Amino acid sequence: QVQLVQSGAEVKKPGASVKVSCKASGYTFTSYGISWVRQAPGQGLEWMGWISAYNGNTNYAQKLQGRVTMTTDTSTSTAYMELRSLRSDDTAVYYCARIVMVRGHPNWFDPWGQGTLVTVSS
Amino acid sequence: AIRMTQSPSSFSASTGDRVTITCRASQGISSYLAWYQQKPGKAPKLLIYAASTLQSGVPSRFSGSGSGTDFTLTISCLQSEDFATYYCQQYYSYPSAFGPGTKVDIK
Repeated sequence: QVQLVQSGAEVKKPGASVKVSCKASGYTFTSYGISWVRQAPGQGLEWMGWISAYNGNTNYAQKLQGRVTMTTDTSTSTAYMELRSLRSDDTAVYYCARIVMVRGHPNWFDPWGQGTLVTVSS
Repeated sequence: AIRMTQSPSSFSASTGDRVTITCRASQGISSYLAWYQQKPGKAPKLLIYAASTLQSGVPSRFSGSGSGTDFTLTISCLQSEDFATYYCQQYYSYPSAFGPGTKVDIK
């Protein structure tokens, strides 16, 4: 079955970086995109960006530009999200999700990974 | 960027009720809208895409409608497992955006 399995929880100090992985299985990795979405404690869903697993093209949320990098390793069907210069308000659960592509345009997200809690604290 | 709003932000309902959640886009998005369900401590789950297409495996009591700027998610007969938070998402243009969510809890 289609599955996305994320790396484990992380605790980081302000100013540090974190890299979260998302391993895909059960489908052709390069036929879809991967999006990253985060959810701060008690808050809603915030779209962070997406990457095409086909050609590596990326599109990031403006507020994260310069701090976030999304990559893929097609040899292992794994996507990565690195966030730098961490602040306390980056504390959140980070989700990856497979993006269904329709005629090259990113569409809905299904399925989602289980989430990775990133805590930023001194 | 397109902004999404939802109403109400939360409400209480009883098992068996018919419930409707509204989602509005700040500009027209055709039918490029999805609905997700999220339960506490769990990842969101896709319910509906293309505004009205039910994802495989999702119970038929869920339905979606609308196009342009105004959309609705309806649960025809609320079940105990439906108490959750529901989010709409536009994917008409990027950056994509989610609505703020609607929490449905037990009356």
